[in-house]
Amino acid sequence: DAGVIQSPRHEVTEMGQEVTLRCKPISGHDYLFWYRQTMMRGLELLIYFNNNVPIDDSGMPEDRFSAKMPNASFSTLKIQPSEPRDSAVYFCASSFAAMNTEAFFGQGTRLTVV
Amino acid sequence: QKEVEQNSGPLSVPEGAIASLNCTYSDRGSQSFFWYRQYSGKSPELIMFIYSNGDKEDGRFTAQLNKASQYVSLLIRDSQPSDSATYLCAVNTRGRGSTLGRLYFGRGTQLTVWP
Repeated sequence: DAGVIQSPRHEVTEMGQEVTLRCKPISGHDYLFWYRQTMMRGLELLIYFNNNVPIDDSGMPEDRFSAKMPNASFSTLKIQPSEPRDSAVYFCASSFAAMNTEAFFGQGTRLTVV
Repeated sequence: QKEVEQNSGPLSVPEGAIASLNCTYSDRGSQSFFWYRQYSGKSPELIMFIYSNGDKEDGRFTAQLNKASQYVSLLIRDSQPSDSATYLCAVNTRGRGSTLGRLYFGRGTQLTVWP
């Protein structure tokens, strides 16, 4: 398996634009997680899915953020409209279970909003 | 209070020394504990996990868990320059009102091993 695949690797956009980040989890993993990493706040869980259903979105910062998982092999994280404070590295991760198992991370998307 | 606390460092040790990384957590119901390593510009990768009190050894790495003190540590023996990275402590805790867990990460400790 190629691991968790994220695209794009880098994204530079202007404030106010819509940004869509994409993730393909490892085949057979039932859980998918979206994290955001910044120097100030470290690695924060934004939302996670189980069998394509959002389970906990309490980490989503505000209504400008939305995430979907239309099928077991694809998820998106959308920011609309984007703001400079959204600049961060966004990681997608997947695992067999929500508890007591390793989460495998994608390579991340470095988002810069100018 | 943050769920997982780590000293941000930087921690600097000479090659061949033992590096000791520490982590405390707030939720006594936490069930599993992970150490991830993250090289600059890369994604986190799992080094070790531990569920039970005591020590768990894997090669040069030893994880230690003390649930009574809510404390987890990672020891790296015979440190190498290639161990230079940020080490993230992660704790698996059941979410509020949920039967399923969340993985909380500390902000990481930056380790430098100099030759």
